[in-house]
This record gives sequence, structure tokens and C-alpha cells, in this order.
Amino acid sequence: EAQVTQNPRYLITVTGKKLTVTCSQNMNHEYMSWYRQDPGLGLRQIYYLMNVEVTDKGDVPEGYKVSRKEKRNFPLILESPSPNQTSLYFCASSFTGTGKDDTEAFFGQGTRLTVV
Amino acid sequence: GESVGLHLPTLSVQEGDNSIINCAYSNSASDYFIWYKQESGKGPQFIIDIRSNMDKRQGQRVTVLLNKTVKHLSLQIAATQPGDSAVYFCADHFQGGKLIFGQGTELSVKP
Repeated sequence: EAQVTQNPRYLITVTGKKLTVTCSQNMNHEYMSWYRQDPGLGLRQIYYLMNVEVTDKGDVPEGYKVSRKEKRNFPLILESPSPNQTSLYFCASSFTGTGKDDTEAFFGQGTRLTVV
Repeated sequence: GESVGLHLPTLSVQEGDNSIINCAYSNSASDYFIWYKQESGKGPQFIIDIRSNMDKRQGQRVTVLLNKTVKHLSLQIAATQPGDSAVYFCADHFQGGKLIFGQGTELSVKP
């Protein structure tokens, strides 16, 4: 089954304690990205990445890091989380390069992060 | 700057009626516009897209209209069903994978 898998689904942590949210896709997609969703602000793109080692910043990259050492995985790293990073996070992947359904982004189920 | 906005945060329709959800955009450089549906507790799900050089595209029970003159996008859902209840987002898609989402319209379908 084609899917994007995020872990964990829920996470409560303390300010300053480094954390990683994992994301994996099994569709051989080229593009992967991370979003945060906040009430009244909708979905905002944190980072998007067209290929391994080629990363572009989205709208809200501050305080976040990403890496993509292999095509299927795209972890989101918060080196020193702060309460303003409390949010619902989504990972997404898209684009096979075949020309078919290349705009369709597949989203994970979300990770609800609380930083206290 | 780039932005995507929706006209109404909520929309309530009677089951069986048609629904129209509107979206305005500001950037003319996008290559696609996309509509997503997000049900409670789930990630957004692709509904339909439209290339920026098109005016209309139809899918199953959905039609998207693009008016580039006034930078307006709409999603029409025919014969709205209870399962259509969700938050709907329009998104501005740029080559390379950048996506800018609108804030969403919550559609409620009354039985």
C-alpha cells in the first residue's frame, strides 16, 4: 500500500530537549516536505526537498533541520524545541517524474507535538 | 508576497445540494493549483488539480474553475454527501515542490 508513515503520532517534550520526527515513503517519490498546521494559520511549509541533498526552505524554517541521506526517509529535527513549536506536523511526498499524477502530494497521518 | 486565501472559513449545505468553495491567490508564477480535503484526525488528501493554463477541470463529482483575470479558484462539489464534510484547502503549487496553502474552509453537510 502506497503510504507516508510518520512517527511518533503524539509527542510531549520539554524545552531544549532535542527530538526527531521520522518520515518514510514507499512510492519512490522525488519530493518530500514538512508542514506545520496551526489553528487560524492553516498549513505552512517548513522545508521541501526535491532530491537527496537538495533542500529548499519553506515559509517557517527557523528552529528546524531536515536531512535526506536516502530517498525514502526525511526526518524532521528540532535541535532545541521551544513552546512556540507546539503544533501538528505533517510530512508529505510527491513526484515520480513520470508525468503521471505528479502534483499529487501524499501526506502522513500527522505528529502532534507539545513542547512544555 | 505569495498568499492564498479563502473567502469563507465555514460553509454549511444541505445533503444533496451543490457546494462551492472559493479561493483567491496572489502569485501568478505557480504551475498548478490544487484542492485538498482534510478529515478530522487525518492528513490532507489530494482531490483535484488544475494546470495554470486551464480554465476548468472536472473529476468525479468535483469541478475546479480557474479565473486568472481575477486570480480566483473555486471547487464545486455536486450532490454533496455527509462524507464530504471536512476542511478544504486550496494550494498554490510551484515547480520544485513548493506549496502554499490557504487557510481552509470547513464544510458541514446537514442531513
